Amino acid sequence: LAKTTQPISMDSYEGQEVNITCSHNNIATNDYITWYQQFPSQGPRFIIQGYKTKVTNEVASLFIPADRKSSTLSLPRVSLSDTAVYYCLVGDIANSGYSTLTFGKGTMLLVSP
Amino acid sequence: DTAVSQTPKYLVTQMGNDKSIKCEQNLGHDTMYWYKQDSKKFLKIMFSYNNKELIINETVPNRFSPKSPDKAHLNLHINSLELGDSAVYFCASSQGDARSAQHFGDGTRLSIL
Repeated sequence: LAKTTQPISMDSYEGQEVNITCSHNNIATNDYITWYQQFPSQGPRFIIQGYKTKVTNEVASLFIPADRKSSTLSLPRVSLSDTAVYYCLVGDIANSGYSTLTFGKGTMLLVSP
Repeated sequence: DTAVSQTPKYLVTQMGNDKSIKCEQNLGHDTMYWYKQDSKKFLKIMFSYNNKELIINETVPNRFSPKSPDKAHLNLHINSLELGDSAVYFCASSQGDARSAQHFGDGTRLSIL
Protein backbone atom coordinates (compact mmCIF):
# COMPACT_ATOMS: atom_id res chain seq x y z
CA LEU A 1 0.00 0.00 0.00
CA ALA A 2 1.23 3.46 -0.86
CA LYS A 3 0.92 5.00 2.60
CA THR A 4 1.35 8.73 2.88
CA THR A 5 2.65 10.86 5.73
CA GLN A 6 1.97 14.57 6.08
CA PRO A 7 2.43 17.11 8.88
CA ILE A 8 -0.65 17.30 11.03
CA SER A 9 -0.81 21.09 10.92
CA MET A 10 0.90 24.18 9.57
CA ASP A 11 0.54 27.88 10.29
CA SER A 12 1.11 30.76 7.92
CA TYR A 13 0.29 34.41 7.33
CA GLU A 14 -1.48 36.04 4.47
CA GLY A 15 0.71 36.66 1.46
CA GLN A 16 3.27 34.00 2.31
CA GLU A 17 4.13 30.96 0.22
CA VAL A 18 3.22 27.67 1.88
CA ASN A 19 4.86 24.36 1.11
CA ILE A 20 3.29 21.14 2.36
CA THR A 21 5.31 17.98 1.95
CA CYS A 22 3.95 14.46 1.70
CA SER A 23 6.09 11.38 2.13
CA HIS A 24 5.24 8.24 0.17
CA ASN A 25 8.28 6.02 0.43
CA ASN A 26 6.69 2.94 -1.10
CA ILE A 27 5.11 4.63 -4.08
CA ALA A 28 4.63 2.23 -6.98
CA THR A 29 5.71 2.78 -10.54
CA ASN A 30 2.22 3.52 -11.81
CA ASP A 31 1.09 5.64 -8.85
CA TYR A 32 0.02 9.20 -9.41
CA ILE A 33 0.16 11.87 -6.71
CA THR A 34 -2.96 13.93 -6.19
CA TRP A 35 -3.71 16.73 -3.75
CA TYR A 36 -7.11 17.73 -2.47
CA GLN A 37 -8.37 20.59 -0.30
CA GLN A 38 -11.21 20.22 2.16
CA PHE A 39 -13.14 22.95 3.96
CA PRO A 40 -15.34 22.18 6.98
CA SER A 41 -18.67 20.63 6.05
CA GLN A 42 -17.63 20.22 2.42
CA GLY A 43 -16.25 17.43 0.30
CA PRO A 44 -12.61 17.43 -0.83
CA ARG A 45 -11.80 19.53 -3.87
CA PHE A 46 -9.17 18.54 -6.43
CA ILE A 47 -6.16 20.87 -6.49
CA ILE A 48 -3.44 19.32 -8.59
CA GLN A 49 -2.03 16.02 -9.79
CA GLY A 50 1.37 14.89 -11.00
CA TYR A 51 3.54 11.91 -11.78
CA LYS A 52 7.06 13.36 -11.78
CA THR A 53 9.01 16.65 -11.91
CA LYS A 54 6.89 19.77 -11.61
CA VAL A 55 3.29 20.55 -12.36
CA THR A 56 1.73 24.01 -12.12
CA ASN A 57 -1.81 25.24 -12.49
CA GLU A 58 -3.65 28.43 -11.62
CA VAL A 59 -3.80 27.71 -7.90
CA ALA A 60 -0.75 25.63 -6.96
CA SER A 61 2.46 23.91 -7.95
CA LEU A 62 3.45 20.34 -7.27
CA PHE A 63 7.09 19.40 -6.98
CA ILE A 64 8.09 15.75 -7.26
CA PRO A 65 11.75 14.71 -6.94
CA ALA A 66 13.27 12.09 -9.19
CA ASP A 67 12.87 9.25 -6.69
CA ARG A 68 9.16 10.18 -6.23
CA LYS A 69 9.28 9.23 -2.56
CA SER A 70 7.88 12.58 -1.58
CA SER A 71 6.01 15.48 -3.09
CA THR A 72 5.52 19.11 -2.13
CA LEU A 73 2.40 21.14 -2.68
CA SER A 74 3.24 24.82 -3.01
CA LEU A 75 0.57 27.49 -2.49
CA PRO A 76 1.77 30.94 -3.55
CA ARG A 77 0.68 33.98 -1.53
CA VAL A 78 -1.93 32.32 0.64
CA SER A 79 -5.01 34.14 1.83
CA LEU A 80 -7.34 33.56 4.76
CA SER A 81 -9.61 31.53 2.50
CA ASP A 82 -6.84 28.97 2.01
CA THR A 83 -7.35 27.79 5.60
CA ALA A 84 -8.37 24.17 5.08
CA VAL A 85 -7.19 20.58 5.31
CA TYR A 86 -4.93 19.42 2.49
CA TYR A 87 -4.74 15.75 1.56
CA CYS A 88 -2.08 13.94 -0.39
CA LEU A 89 -3.36 10.88 -2.24
CA VAL A 90 -1.16 8.31 -3.91
CA GLY A 91 -2.54 5.44 -5.84
CA ASP A 92 -3.09 3.66 -9.09
CA ILE A 93 -6.30 1.76 -8.98
CA ALA A 94 -5.56 -0.66 -11.75
CA ASN A 95 -2.39 -2.00 -10.20
CA SER A 96 -2.49 -1.16 -6.52
CA GLY A 97 -6.12 -1.55 -5.70
CA TYR A 98 -8.60 0.79 -4.18
CA SER A 99 -7.20 0.44 -0.71
CA THR A 100 -4.74 3.10 -1.78
CA LEU A 101 -7.62 5.54 -1.89
CA THR A 102 -7.47 6.22 1.83
CA PHE A 103 -6.75 9.89 2.13
CA GLY A 104 -5.10 9.87 5.52
CA LYS A 105 -5.33 12.63 8.11
CA GLY A 106 -4.20 15.45 5.90
CA THR A 107 -2.53 18.72 6.91
CA MET A 108 -4.57 21.42 8.61
CA LEU A 109 -3.33 24.76 7.25
CA LEU A 110 -4.23 27.83 9.28
CA VAL A 111 -3.66 31.18 7.61
CA SER A 112 -3.67 34.22 9.88
CA PRO A 113 -3.94 37.93 9.04
CA ASP B 1 -25.96 23.78 -10.70
CA THR B 2 -24.43 21.40 -8.17
CA ALA B 3 -22.09 18.92 -9.88
CA VAL B 4 -22.38 16.15 -7.28
CA SER B 5 -25.37 16.30 -4.99
CA GLN B 6 -26.22 14.11 -2.03
CA THR B 7 -29.41 13.81 -0.08
CA PRO B 8 -30.08 14.08 2.74
CA LYS B 9 -27.41 16.36 4.17
CA TYR B 10 -28.13 15.17 7.68
CA LEU B 11 -29.54 11.84 8.79
CA VAL B 12 -30.31 11.00 12.40
CA THR B 13 -31.72 7.59 13.14
CA GLN B 14 -31.72 4.75 15.64
CA MET B 15 -29.71 1.58 15.75
CA GLY B 16 -31.18 -1.25 13.74
CA ASN B 17 -32.91 0.95 11.20
CA ASP B 18 -32.37 0.79 7.44
CA LYS B 19 -31.58 3.99 5.58
CA SER B 20 -30.52 5.18 2.13
CA ILE B 21 -28.40 8.05 0.91
CA LYS B 22 -28.83 9.27 -2.64
CA CYS B 23 -26.17 10.68 -4.95
CA GLU B 24 -26.46 12.23 -8.37
CA GLN B 25 -23.82 13.76 -10.63
CA ASN B 26 -24.48 15.93 -13.66
CA LEU B 27 -20.90 15.95 -14.95
CA GLY B 28 -21.33 13.07 -17.36
CA HIS B 29 -18.68 11.07 -15.50
CA ASP B 30 -18.53 7.32 -15.85
CA THR B 31 -17.18 6.45 -12.40
CA MET B 32 -18.76 7.16 -9.02
CA TYR B 33 -17.56 6.48 -5.49
CA TRP B 34 -18.70 6.33 -1.90
CA TYR B 35 -16.32 7.36 0.88
CA LYS B 36 -16.66 7.29 4.65
CA GLN B 37 -15.02 9.95 6.82
CA ASP B 38 -14.92 8.98 10.46
CA SER B 39 -14.45 11.11 13.56
CA LYS B 40 -10.68 10.94 13.17
CA LYS B 41 -11.08 12.55 9.73
CA PHE B 42 -9.81 9.55 7.79
CA LEU B 43 -11.48 9.54 4.39
CA LYS B 44 -11.69 5.95 3.16
CA ILE B 45 -13.20 4.56 0.00
CA MET B 46 -16.07 2.15 0.30
CA PHE B 47 -17.27 1.50 -3.24
CA SER B 48 -16.71 2.51 -6.80
CA TYR B 49 -18.94 2.05 -9.81
CA ASN B 50 -17.80 2.37 -13.41
CA ASN B 51 -20.53 2.46 -16.05
CA LYS B 52 -23.00 0.98 -13.60
CA GLU B 53 -20.77 -1.92 -12.68
CA LEU B 54 -19.19 -2.41 -9.29
CA ILE B 55 -15.47 -2.51 -9.82
CA ILE B 56 -14.31 -2.55 -6.23
CA ASN B 57 -15.78 -3.36 -2.90
CA GLU B 58 -13.43 -2.74 -0.03
CA THR B 59 -13.70 -4.50 3.28
CA VAL B 60 -17.06 -2.97 4.03
CA PRO B 61 -19.78 -4.88 5.91
CA ASN B 62 -22.39 -6.36 3.63
CA ARG B 63 -24.96 -4.25 5.46
CA PHE B 64 -23.82 -1.56 3.05
CA SER B 65 -25.04 -2.00 -0.49
CA PRO B 66 -24.51 0.45 -3.34
CA LYS B 67 -27.13 0.67 -6.04
CA SER B 68 -26.63 2.37 -9.37
CA PRO B 69 -29.78 2.75 -11.50
CA ASP B 70 -27.74 4.59 -14.14
CA LYS B 71 -24.29 6.06 -14.45
CA ALA B 72 -25.42 9.42 -13.07
CA HIS B 73 -26.65 7.94 -9.79
CA LEU B 74 -25.02 5.87 -7.08
CA ASN B 75 -27.14 5.37 -3.99
CA LEU B 76 -25.99 3.84 -0.72
CA HIS B 77 -28.32 1.62 1.27
CA ILE B 78 -27.45 0.65 4.80
CA ASN B 79 -29.21 -2.12 6.71
CA SER B 80 -29.32 -2.66 10.45
CA LEU B 81 -27.47 0.52 11.33
CA GLU B 82 -24.89 0.33 14.14
CA LEU B 83 -23.32 3.00 16.32
CA GLY B 84 -20.04 2.64 14.45
CA ASP B 85 -21.74 3.68 11.24
CA SER B 86 -21.90 7.26 12.51
CA ALA B 87 -19.74 9.27 10.11
CA VAL B 88 -19.88 11.61 7.16
CA TYR B 89 -20.44 9.81 3.87
CA PHE B 90 -19.19 11.43 0.68
CA CYS B 91 -20.15 10.64 -2.85
CA ALA B 92 -17.71 11.46 -5.66
CA SER B 93 -17.39 11.03 -9.39
CA SER B 94 -14.63 11.08 -11.98
CA GLN B 95 -14.17 10.49 -15.67
CA GLY B 96 -12.15 7.32 -15.79
CA ASP B 97 -10.56 5.85 -12.70
CA ALA B 98 -9.38 7.65 -9.58
CA ARG B 99 -6.23 8.92 -11.25
CA SER B 100 -8.56 11.51 -12.70
CA ALA B 101 -9.75 14.40 -10.58
CA GLN B 102 -12.60 13.33 -8.36
CA HIS B 103 -15.49 15.69 -7.74
CA PHE B 104 -17.08 15.31 -4.31
CA GLY B 105 -20.47 16.08 -2.91
CA ASP B 106 -20.81 17.96 0.36
CA GLY B 107 -21.42 14.85 2.38
CA THR B 108 -24.18 13.27 4.42
CA ARG B 109 -23.69 13.35 8.17
CA LEU B 110 -25.14 10.16 9.60
CA SER B 111 -25.73 10.01 13.34
CA ILE B 112 -26.87 6.83 15.03
CA LEU B 113 -28.65 7.18 18.35
